[in-house]
Amino acid sequence: GQSLEQPSEVTAVEGAIVQINCTYQTSGFYGLSWYQQHDGGAPTFLSYNALDGLEETGRFSSFLSRSDSYGYLLLQELQMKDSASYFCATGASNTGKLIFGQGTTLQVKP
Amino acid sequence: DVKVTQSSRYLVKRTGEKVFLECVQDMDHENMFWYRQDPGLGLRLIYFSYDVKMKEKGDIPEGYSVSREKKERFSLILESASTNQTSMYLCASSPGTGRQYFGPGTRLTVL
Repeated sequence: GQSLEQPSEVTAVEGAIVQINCTYQTSGFYGLSWYQQHDGGAPTFLSYNALDGLEETGRFSSFLSRSDSYGYLLLQELQMKDSASYFCATGASNTGKLIFGQGTTLQVKP
Repeated sequence: DVKVTQSSRYLVKRTGEKVFLECVQDMDHENMFWYRQDPGLGLRLIYFSYDVKMKEKGDIPEGYSVSREKKERFSLILESASTNQTSMYLCASSPGTGRQYFGPGTRLTVL
């Protein structure tokens, strides 16, 4: 089977850096993705790592280590608008089908 | 920009009604998905389609069916709505690279 584990909640202050970890178990691996979802909104794609290493997109970075079945999302210079749920997801096939983690609720405090 | 639209943001139906949820994408993606999202249960895949007229069951297909007659359109059908199908329904499309693009969602209430 396939499963992903991530913390259920993380709290940080505005301007800080926060890391959200994700470990996965999959029978096949087609990359690790991250999604952001604000309350009442739909998930939006943030990043995708197919290979080991760090991918940076503005204030957000995502890391993957396939040998450790582990990845993380790094959010820098936190802003209040970053308060949201963050989901990691692994590809289950080349059809774009994803298995999602349960999500991490990030609360950014002033 | 990829655009995925869903036919309704909010929908209220009665138990036993047949319900159609429509999803349209404008990026010529092969793959489309239907999820439901409930508090504490995350995103659960109902059905997906990787080509016109092709479909595969997801994790929770019971009580649902789908239709994909055209590449851009993927419909979710609740044959006989029940109260336990009250949920947020999310449609997504994907080019197949770990990226999925979601519609705004339909919040369905079954009374």
